[in-house]
This record gives sequence, structure tokens and C-alpha cells, in this order.
Amino acid sequence: ELKVEQNPLFLSMQEGKNYTIYCNYSTTSDRLYWYRQDPGKSLESLFVLLSNGAVKQEGRLMASLDTKARLSTLHITAAVHDLSATYFCAVDTRDDKIIFGKGTRLHILP
Amino acid sequence: GAVVSQHPSWVICKSGTSVKIECRSLDFQATTMFWYRQFPKQSLMLMATSNEGSKATYEQGVEKDKFLINHASLTLSTLTVTSAHPEDSSFYICSARGTGGYEQYFGPGTRLTVT
Repeated sequence: ELKVEQNPLFLSMQEGKNYTIYCNYSTTSDRLYWYRQDPGKSLESLFVLLSNGAVKQEGRLMASLDTKARLSTLHITAAVHDLSATYFCAVDTRDDKIIFGKGTRLHILP
Repeated sequence: GAVVSQHPSWVICKSGTSVKIECRSLDFQATTMFWYRQFPKQSLMLMATSNEGSKATYEQGVEKDKFLINHASLTLSTLTVTSAHPEDSSFYICSARGTGGYEQYFGPGTRLTVT
């Protein structure tokens, strides 16, 4: 059974700092997703990572994938308050479902 | 492109009544739709997968007689919560995947409160 673990689950950080969220998964998968969720809202797709070594960047967020280690990271550079949200990683299963991690609640202090 | 809508966005109902939630793919044909439930400060949990024209596949622990899913067309799936109870109060999110695609596109969610 595929399991997806994120850490940390909660992160409070100062504006301007850098930090990384980690996502480990337990079995081989073809695709890894990162989503953002604001309070009371649905999911916003951030990145889809398809292959080993994939790196994608959008603004202050950068995601990478190491399929051999079954590890993805979401790196935040020079955080700003607007990035406060919950971030989920999710992984495709062999029967085309998505399994989500528990989410990382990111709180950026001004 | 790839827009998914849900209706209603929020609903309050009394215990024992039934509620229907619609999920529509607005600009693509969704051969597969997924229904998730999310409790406060928790992750999304997949409830069921539905393919157009066939019966939904429910995840372990989800009562199929309580959560009725219909996917009668390539752009519409419905979730009916029958005989709702306060513990069914949650945020219900659908997603849709197009023909030949892999990515799921998420709807805006429906907040259900059962009193």
C-alpha cells in the first residue's frame, strides 16, 4: 500500500527566510504532485513532477524529485506572507488514484 | 482550460435528509471523476472513483449505500449523501480527469453542514 509522508506538518517561519518541505513515498510511482490549499478553498495545482531529477520552479517555490530515494522537496526561497497556506504532496498509485500526504501548514510571519 | 465546477458551494441540511452535490467538467470531457472528503485540518481522503457509464468504485470503509455516486455523462458526476448525519459534515471535493490524461483537475469544493 502506497504511503505518503510529509514533514514538517507545521512550519512557522519569518519572511525572507528559506525552508524546505519534504515528501517521502513508500512505493514506486510515475508522478508526484504538489498542491496549495488556502483556508476554506480547494486545491491549486503547483507542480507535476514526472521523472527522476525533475526540477520545476515558479516564483519563490521550487520542487524537485528523486525517484530513487522516493523523495520530493518543495523549497521556499525568501518567503513572503502570501505563501502562507497548506501544501500537499500527492503521488499516483498504480491504479490511477492519487494518495495525499497529510499536508504542511505553512505560516509565514511578517 | 480544465475547469471543474461544483454545486452547491455550501449547504446546510437537517439530520436524516439527503443532499446532492454536482461536479461538472466545463471545458473537457471527464472519463473519470473522483470524490474526496476533507475534515478540518486533515488531508483529502478518496471516497470513490467513477467512470462514465459504469458503477463507482468505493474505497474501503466508505458506505456505498450512503454515498451514492452517479456519473451519467462525460461532464457530470453527482454525489448524494443519503440520510445525512452530523458526522457527515465535511468539505467534499471532486476532481476530474480527461480522456487519455493523467492529471486530476479539482473542483472548488462543497461544504456540507448537517444539523
